[in-house]
Amino acid sequence: GAVVSQHPSRVICKSGTSVKIECRSLDFQATTMFWYRQFPKQSLMLMATSNEGSKATYEQGVEKDKFLINHASLTLSTLTVTSAHPEDSSFYICSARRWTGRDTEAFFGQGTRLTVV
Amino acid sequence: KQEVTQIPAALSVPEGENLVLNCSFTDSAIYNLQWFRQDPGKGLTSLLLIQSSQREQTSGRLNASLDKSSGRSTLYIAASQPGDSATYLCAVSIVYNQGGKLIFGQGTELSVKP
Repeated sequence: GAVVSQHPSRVICKSGTSVKIECRSLDFQATTMFWYRQFPKQSLMLMATSNEGSKATYEQGVEKDKFLINHASLTLSTLTVTSAHPEDSSFYICSARRWTGRDTEAFFGQGTRLTVV
Repeated sequence: KQEVTQIPAALSVPEGENLVLNCSFTDSAIYNLQWFRQDPGKGLTSLLLIQSSQREQTSGRLNASLDKSSGRSTLYIAASQPGDSATYLCAVSIVYNQGGKLIFGQGTELSVKP
């Protein structure tokens, strides 16, 4: 079954509005979660590392005021795209790592297709 | 800076064929390497994880190898089926104390024809 759950799977919003995407670890606690963005036919680009109880760490070139990340509990991280514009339309995926007993394995949510019109 | 490259970018094979997907990385200081599968418009499904100290991992018809010193990994798919059609991504975890970031290759888009 799913290890990481992401919601919603699809969202369409008007330009200038904000959209919140949720990422939950279902059967384990994740002090760190990761947010990625994927353009069509391209690979995943890490946007930011979400840290429970502290500020997120953003990758170079990612606007932290546009992509607000909140990691208020050990099982939930949210990404809010503020004042969305058509160029923010993309596929957003979150990830969390789970300890397997010998290693930590990365699991991904189902992804959110954001369309800004 | 770690860079991950996958070859080929796309591959089309007839059903039943064995095939190899390649992944190379520039910095051998990795924590582990994972192979993922992505279906169109979907998230990623973890296929295999190889620890940096391991040489290979197997799961069913899939076998992944890792040669850390040369910066290479391969994913071998035996007796391919149309249901194997998807994009396959390899990703390396850089040193763990940097938060376990994953650096992805561009992916190989596989099409298995019936």
